[in-house]
Amino acid sequence: SQQGEEDPQALSIQEGENATMNCSYKTSINNLQWYRQNSGRGLVHLILIRSNEREKHSGRLRVTLDTSKKSSSLLITASRAADTASYFCATGSPRGSARQLTFGSGTQLTVLP
Amino acid sequence: GAGVSQSPSNKVTEKGKDVELRCDPISGHTALYWYRQSLGQGLEFLIYFQGNSAPDKSGLPSDRFSAERTGGSVSTLTIQRTQQEDSAVYLCASSITSGGSKQYFGPGTRLTVT
Repeated sequence: SQQGEEDPQALSIQEGENATMNCSYKTSINNLQWYRQNSGRGLVHLILIRSNEREKHSGRLRVTLDTSKKSSSLLITASRAADTASYFCATGSPRGSARQLTFGSGTQLTVLP
Repeated sequence: GAGVSQSPSNKVTEKGKDVELRCDPISGHTALYWYRQSLGQGLEFLIYFQGNSAPDKSGLPSDRFSAERTGGSVSTLTIQRTQQEDSAVYLCASSITSGGSKQYFGPGTRLTVT
């Protein structure tokens, strides 16, 4: 099964509400990253949280990491229609692994105006 | 500075033809990745280049797929004898190092095999 599974697969909310997306993974990680993708094109990096961190903020984004549960959450506060996109978590493997970032299948967020 | 660029942005080809997709990474980035994304799906890892090391080809789905990176910069992904199931968006990314660094993505090439 896949490292980095997002939940839910799809989320629809009203503008102004908060959106929470979750990510679970299976193996040890060096860091966990969240990316955003509009319209099936390139991904944009949002935030990186290291394995020794528990919470990180960037603007309206808040990421938590629980390594004991092998899970992370991305919270977007006061959502806007422009936040509509797919959101992916990606796990960075510990040093020594040739391929060191593994992406999940994504959460499609729709923010209704 | 310039980000990751990919060309062409769209490619329509007939089944059985070969295609070449190009990626220009950010200057100075030693790591380069190719991914494939089918409609509404997540990213499927294809191949990874890190400096002068042998590439990690473990994600290539068949021997019809190959990639090279010349001079540690530009990369070309080649698909021979294309099949309809090869239709997808092919994304390239680069990072300053490996070790799970932040990746910078290009806009992708949308490949349609008819």
